[in-house]
Amino acid sequence: EPEVTQTPSHQVTQMGQEVILRCVPISNHLYFYWYRQILGQKVEFLVSFYNNEISEKSEIFDDQFSVERPDGSNFTLKIRSTKLEDSAMYFCASSANSGSYNEQFFGPGTRLTVL
Amino acid sequence: AQSVTQPDIHITVSEGASLELRCNYSYGATPYLFWYVQSPGQGLQLLLKYFSGDTLVQGIKGFEAEFKRSQSSFNLRKPSVHWSDAAEYFCASKGNTDKLIFGTGTRLQVFP
Repeated sequence: EPEVTQTPSHQVTQMGQEVILRCVPISNHLYFYWYRQILGQKVEFLVSFYNNEISEKSEIFDDQFSVERPDGSNFTLKIRSTKLEDSAMYFCASSANSGSYNEQFFGPGTRLTVL
Repeated sequence: AQSVTQPDIHITVSEGASLELRCNYSYGATPYLFWYVQSPGQGLQLLLKYFSGDTLVQGIKGFEAEFKRSQSSFNLRKPSVHWSDAAEYFCASKGNTDKLIFGTGTRLQVFP
């Protein structure tokens, strides 16, 4: 069964460093998403992406964050200058369509630890 | 604003017992509703979804959920819980965009 994959599974970085989290969505999906889950808190939407453009972003997704689809398979989330509060589990998701019958498939997540 | 509430943070049941996890939503129209399960160290797996039509929806692993508009609820049920069902369960809703709004989750513990 096709699945969303994410690398690395765990990333440790120093505060102020740049990190890139990588995702390979399901191959025929066109819509891509990032969510995050701070330890003990709810899963929060960060951004949605379609046709090489951001469709929607939350207030969390500030100028420190960017997303990119550098090739036909990868979807990345970059955090330019990490802060302690960026420590969280980051989930990538993809879907085949948008709107009413949108069903998102999630990857296993990348745990980001900022020291 | 759209929101999802899961009133129970932690539920413990015995294996073989029935289960009901509560979820309430707040949205001006009928939302699209989902239940996801997260096992330790795993991602979010979709159990079931409600878009329209029959208010009782069947999902994977023997789960079902019932949409009740009058109560703004979408409770998850299973008639007989297995030890492997121990996990965190998230209710989520979607309005007129693709953004999923998640509840805070309910951690299910199953005793033998």
